[in-house]
Amino acid sequence: DSGVTQTPKHLITATGQRVTLRCSPRSGDLSVYWYQQSLDQGLQFLIHYYNGEERAKGNILERFSAQQFPDLHSELNLSSLELGDSALYFCASSVNGLGTGEQFFGPGTRLTVL
Amino acid sequence: ELKVEQNPLFLSMQEGKNYTIYCNYSTTSDRLYWYRQDPGKSLESLFVLLSNGAVKQEGRLMASLDTKARLSTLHITAAVHDLSATYFCAGGISGTYKYIFGTGTRLKVLA
Repeated sequence: DSGVTQTPKHLITATGQRVTLRCSPRSGDLSVYWYQQSLDQGLQFLIHYYNGEERAKGNILERFSAQQFPDLHSELNLSSLELGDSALYFCASSVNGLGTGEQFFGPGTRLTVL
Repeated sequence: ELKVEQNPLFLSMQEGKNYTIYCNYSTTSDRLYWYRQDPGKSLESLFVLLSNGAVKQEGRLMASLDTKARLSTLHITAAVHDLSATYFCAGGISGTYKYIFGTGTRLKVLA
């Protein structure tokens, strides 16, 4: 157990809908990273938040947005969902916000868009 | 921007054999990371390599880093079935605030 929690574990929804994925980092970690992993694909970096502020953006669609709250948990919002958005979404946390500390991954949320 | 390439993408090997997974990266990376992922599961951190010449070992796995060659290797010694998984390397550059992952190597160890 990495200490990073994600909810829900599974999510099934329809095209055009909006969902919110939640991540709580390990105690003491200030950074949260979001990744998307499609079937048989590697990890695509989406976005990084450090202590409530956006630090870096990767291949994140405009339909997707994220935020990190004062208690450091983070939410990833996915809207106007398409079939191609079906994937595993992971968050990871680390102590620093430099992009060089060890990351600890949550169990992931499996999103299925029908 | 940092690019990370792994090879091979797929590796099927017999139990008891040795093999190496290679991770090349395109520009200077402050650190290099190795992760393991079992099917449908999360990523587990294996090694963090901090400097040129760094070598770390855990059980049958040994990772090394050569920053001059921009190469990291993950060596598997006397493979066992339990090592079957996908292995990812990732690089990070201070100031970019993100990590770049390789495509992963899917390892299957045959009994």
